[in-house]
Amino acid sequence: QQQVKQSPQSLIVQKGGISIINCAYENTAFDYFPWYQQFPGKGPALLIAIRPDVSEKKEGRFTISFNKSAKQFSLHIMDSQPGDSATYFCAAIRTVGRAQKLVFGQGTRLTINP
Amino acid sequence: DTGVSQNPRHKITKRGQNVTFRCDPISEHNRLYWYRQTLGQGPEFLTYFQNEAQLEKSRLLSDRFSAERPKGSFSTLEIQRTEQGDSAMYLCASSFLELAGAFSYEQYFGPGTRLTVT
Repeated sequence: QQQVKQSPQSLIVQKGGISIINCAYENTAFDYFPWYQQFPGKGPALLIAIRPDVSEKKEGRFTISFNKSAKQFSLHIMDSQPGDSATYFCAAIRTVGRAQKLVFGQGTRLTINP
Repeated sequence: DTGVSQNPRHKITKRGQNVTFRCDPISEHNRLYWYRQTLGQGPEFLTYFQNEAQLEKSRLLSDRFSAERPKGSFSTLEIQRTEQGDSAMYLCASSFLELAGAFSYEQYFGPGTRLTVT
């Protein structure tokens, strides 16, 4: 059972374009939504994150849009650069007691063409 | 470098052998997590520690897997009698639980140990 569904599986964008990756979740108990960036052979690196009481968060060229009623959130990368080529994972955290369980989406392989 | 470190980075072993991985979290972090990532998939939660206490284990963690964090600092993950299906990247992450009860949601990942079972 996939608790966080991510699309598309792969994405090709021209340099300078906008990259958009979408995620949807079912469990309303999730209370934090981070995005991770992963380069080949490396561990995931935290990119940006949002709480469900906020509709948008922007950090530099990266923006998360969050729609609580639709249970959807998305990552927008503005002015995409070849160095942004990586795999991106959306995730959701559910707090159960003192435990924080991080659930990942399936990942999106992003390629930025120069 | 004050990030999460993992050793070894790569491990090739024959089916049936035992392997052990080590994770050193960020020094002030009191929570440590283990995840497994197979090719083309997102990481899957295996287990987590708060200080030295192992508070939760996933159903993915069979009896052949054991994790420890004896002094609340580094952690080890051991796989006994490895199987080809154990081939994956094993990731460690850490975070900080504040004593006042508020906590940081951010988990910081290490570079992982890639295990290949032949």
